[in-house]
Amino acid sequence: DAKTTQPNSMESNEEEPVHLPCNHSTISGTDYIHWYRQLPSQGPEYVIHGLTSNVNNRMASLAIAEDRKSSTLILHRATLRDAAVYYCIFSGGGADGLTFGKGTHLIIQP
Amino acid sequence: DADVTQTPRNRITKTGKRIMLECSQTKGHDRMYWYRQDPGLGLRLIYYSFDVKDINKGEISDGYSVSRQAQAKFSLSLESAIPNQTALYFCATSARLVRNTGELFFGEGSRLTVL
Repeated sequence: DAKTTQPNSMESNEEEPVHLPCNHSTISGTDYIHWYRQLPSQGPEYVIHGLTSNVNNRMASLAIAEDRKSSTLILHRATLRDAAVYYCIFSGGGADGLTFGKGTHLIIQP
Repeated sequence: DADVTQTPRNRITKTGKRIMLECSQTKGHDRMYWYRQDPGLGLRLIYYSFDVKDINKGEISDGYSVSRQAQAKFSLSLESAIPNQTALYFCATSARLVRNTGELFFGEGSRLTVL
């Protein structure tokens, strides 16, 4: 899998929006951008994915830059339960499956 | 009950021993995956399978083997465990190609310690 760049950690306050950035400058035109999160002592869980257009679901929104070299995961109103490691991934290459980098450790303050 | 179940959840073994980690799923997905997680390194793909007759190597397959006994079962084996295989192992499933729009569903993990 190709490499993405994310901040090691971010901190936010409960009930405020959170913007998690990701750079993926080597992404190709057909690579989807995926976001997963891993809560403490659990396996990762899917958050959202997109190709070109911005995407929304019940968990979050994904804003993709026009040149697709970066994206931002938006949690509209953070709760304590959103404290987790967030992984931004794009799958370059021929193999299936996703390889998760170090991700961003999101800390939510009450 | 969990949709993706891993056994054992914790295992301590000695160098040179053969270890098998098992994964079963009730989601009816054809695609199954084994990942390894090391502190500070994220998750890396070991093997994946698209159906019972299909096995593919991932990023770090050396020292591991897998068996897809049925659609619902995918086992990971360490033929001769070594200390640097100490890690948290995750099984996952998907209904579609993950590199496109498929969503991965993970088990709760199997923590393996090799002494």
